[in-house]
Amino acid sequence: GNSVTQMEGPVTLSEEAFLTINCTYTATGYPSLFWYVQYPGEGLQLLLKATKADDKGSNKGFEATYRKETTSFHLEKGSVQVSDSAVYFCALSDLGTDKLIFGTGTRLQVFP
Amino acid sequence: NAGVTQTPKFQVLKTGQSMTLQCAQDMNHEYMSWYRQDPGMGLRLIHYSVGAGITDQGEVPNGYNVSRSTTEDFPLRLLSAAPSQTSVYFCASSFQTGRDEKLFFGSGTQLSVL
Repeated sequence: GNSVTQMEGPVTLSEEAFLTINCTYTATGYPSLFWYVQYPGEGLQLLLKATKADDKGSNKGFEATYRKETTSFHLEKGSVQVSDSAVYFCALSDLGTDKLIFGTGTRLQVFP
Repeated sequence: NAGVTQTPKFQVLKTGQSMTLQCAQDMNHEYMSWYRQDPGMGLRLIHYSVGAGITDQGEVPNGYNVSRSTTEDFPLRLLSAAPSQTSVYFCASSFQTGRDEKLFFGSGTQLSVL
């Protein structure tokens, strides 16, 4: 079945460091891919998405490129801030059901 | 802009008790859903609804009931709480069902079953 695999956290960085959170997926066909972010005490919110191969989603300085050849959708940011501390979830839309399948989440901690 | 509102934020139950988690949205969304979030397991879909009067099971529906009498409300009922239902519960909605639809989440209910 379809699935999403994320790197385990926590990821601990100093402010202004470069961020990569790895995400790979298993799916039939070409699902849409998403990154959701959960700030402390809040629900998840959509950060960015890509709907077809080679698409790049971007928002708030974060980027992720839909790589069909490596079945990946890694999240990157060039310079993280303390306010980026949160849990990041990679997800795909199941083509058969349109339901979102989430990864296990990766906690990011950014220190000043 | 209220968005998706969940109540309560925290709840402690004893094994065997029943309760209802409330969820309401004011965005006129057709699609509503309930997820549970457990450590190391991400979010798992419990039940969902594509419109008033229509509900269906997700990945982990056992022990939970839902109903959708109005577009705005989608309560989740625990019939007889068990320790395995200790989790954080999120309600989410979107304008319609679709592979590219953005989900809007509530802030969650942290439930402990003793």
